Amino acid sequence: AQRVTQPEKLLSVFKGAPVELKCNYSYSGSPELFWYVQYSRQRLQLLLRHISRESIKGFTADLNKGETSFHLKKPFAQEEDSAMYYCALSGGAGTALIFGKGTTLSVSS
Amino acid sequence: GAGVSQSPSNKVTEKGKDVELRCDPISGHTALYWYRQRLGQGLEFLIYFQGNSAPDKSGLPSDRFSAERTGESVSTLTIQRTQQEDSAVYLCASSFRGREQYFGPGTRLTVT
Repeated sequence: AQRVTQPEKLLSVFKGAPVELKCNYSYSGSPELFWYVQYSRQRLQLLLRHISRESIKGFTADLNKGETSFHLKKPFAQEEDSAMYYCALSGGAGTALIFGKGTTLSVSS
Repeated sequence: GAGVSQSPSNKVTEKGKDVELRCDPISGHTALYWYRQRLGQGLEFLIYFQGNSAPDKSGLPSDRFSAERTGESVSTLTIQRTQQEDSAVYLCASSFRGREQYFGPGTRLTVT
């Protein structure tokens, strides 16, 4: 079955602390993995995708095919990182995204 | 330029009534997607349009749900005989040739 699992509903950290948002997936084939973010009162937007291998707003995510994981990491959290984060996978260009249930990240000072 | 727009932003309807939700994709985007997000759940895929190809309707939860798209422009999602479990945020996204999906602000549907 195709599935994306985000085990944490809520992750609360202090400003400056490291952050790791977990994502595991189940897919037969070679999916493309994404992280989407939704800030308060804003629309869902792409944060990063595994094929780009880039760092956005200090966040990185590495695809681990052996562990079928795509965890999102940031070494030093900022208050403006507080948002809902969704991990998603796609079977290929033009296919629909399969989303996890999301993790709320709360960064406090 | 303008992003994906959706209307209405909020819709309250009585159980049993039909509703229509509208999505205006980004101009030039060939692909259009509808998703649903119920409270506490992730986004569920509903339907996908790509150019003039037959739509992928595999995510529609029942035959009360249908969607149309005119060419590569506006799409309408119709829910007939609404039920309380249809209450959700309905999100539309568009992309150019299957690349990054850009999401609209969503329509919050409440069925009373």
